[in-house]
Amino acid sequence: EAGVTQFPSHSVIEKGQTVTLRCDPISGHDNLYWYRRVMGKEIKFLLHFVKESKQDESGMPNNRFLAERTGGTYSTLKVQPAELEDSGVYFCASSPRGFTQYFGPGTRLTVL
Amino acid sequence: GNSVTQMEGPVTLSEEAFLTINCTYTATGYPSLFWYVQYPGEGLQLLLKATKADDKGSNKGFEATYRKETTSFHLEKGSVQVSDSAVYFCALSSASGGYQKVTFGTGTKLQVIP
Repeated sequence: EAGVTQFPSHSVIEKGQTVTLRCDPISGHDNLYWYRRVMGKEIKFLLHFVKESKQDESGMPNNRFLAERTGGTYSTLKVQPAELEDSGVYFCASSPRGFTQYFGPGTRLTVL
Repeated sequence: GNSVTQMEGPVTLSEEAFLTINCTYTATGYPSLFWYVQYPGEGLQLLLKATKADDKGSNKGFEATYRKETTSFHLEKGSVQVSDSAVYFCALSSASGGYQKVTFGTGTKLQVIP
């Protein structure tokens, strides 16, 4: 069974540009989560989808971040425009209802 | 709200040394507790978990016991190897509306030298 996959693995962009991160969850997992780890800090929750609906987006830092999960399969997280403080590693996780979350390899975002 | 506190790193040990990484938590209700590991260049992997008080999670020689009385979940390994070098994250999850919300600690980097 394929695990959670994320693309790209690493993205380097300049301040003010737009970046879109993608997450493909494990097939059949209705729950999809986004997290972020800023350098040296804890991994923080961003938001949670149940199928295509946003269940909880309390961790989204501001309106420059937009997450979608069309059709309840893969998800994208767009940052527009990117700022220096957005640099970090963005993790995606998926789970069946109420079970342990399985994490992807992460996307390392560097904003110059 | 929920929080996890784990010891600051980096931790540097010689091969075959004993490892302890301390983790304490604050949570309402009865959370599940986890240790995740991130090896260099890889993603987060679940190392072990415990879902109720006094449970012991174990995997790859690592162990952690869910201590409700001290709100702790310390990670231990009797004899570390170079291949154990990684960042270790303590985490808890609590049920909210039928799903699990995970709260992480800051991570502890472990370096094992030959």
